[in-house]
Amino acid sequence: KQEVTQIPAALSVPEGENLVLNCSFTDSAIYNLQWFRQDPGKGLTSLLLIQSSQREQTSGRLNASLDKSSGRSTLYIAASQPGDSATYLCAVRGTSGSRLTFGEGTQLTVNP
Amino acid sequence: DGGITQSPKYLFRKEGQNVTLSCEQNLNHDAMYWYRQDPGQGLRLIYYSQIVNDFQKGDIAEGYSVSREKKESFPLTVTSAQKNPTAFYLCASSNKGVSHTEAFFGQGTRLTVV
Repeated sequence: KQEVTQIPAALSVPEGENLVLNCSFTDSAIYNLQWFRQDPGKGLTSLLLIQSSQREQTSGRLNASLDKSSGRSTLYIAASQPGDSATYLCAVRGTSGSRLTFGEGTQLTVNP
Repeated sequence: DGGITQSPKYLFRKEGQNVTLSCEQNLNHDAMYWYRQDPGQGLRLIYYSQIVNDFQKGDIAEGYSVSREKKESFPLTVTSAQKNPTAFYLCASSNKGVSHTEAFFGQGTRLTVV
């Protein structure tokens, strides 16, 4: 059974700092990995999708990497801003394609 | 605009009642999913459907039921058999195929037992 772990559970940084969020998964047989953002009381917003054949994806100040063989992904946020404060979730889709398995998230606070 | 619409945003249920949460998508996605989120926890899969008139149990299906009569709709019923239904419920959809596209989520329904 796939298990997804996110470290750290919470992170507080000053504005402008670059930061890295970590995601690990136990079964490397995946189709893709997706990073989401969730604001309090809201749904999930997709940030980046990395297919299993890819090593990284970039969108603006966000860069996500994937090392499928070691079961790891990182989300790099450059020049963090208070508006980046949210919970960040990673999810992997197994090769059966039928479901996404989520980590418990990293709660990020960026202080002005 | 294309997307996923969940309704209502807030729902209150009395003990012993069944309630139905709505999820509609206009993304022409084949697959739809229901997740439950409890405070401080990750998302847990309740049910999913990859095609009309077919659906499978997820990890926590007990006390829930679904139907998939139309491609764009995947309603979730929380039955009286679900002993702890207070939670945030999220619906998602995606295309299926070899590469599988992004999953998109609705804005959620917060269910409270009163």
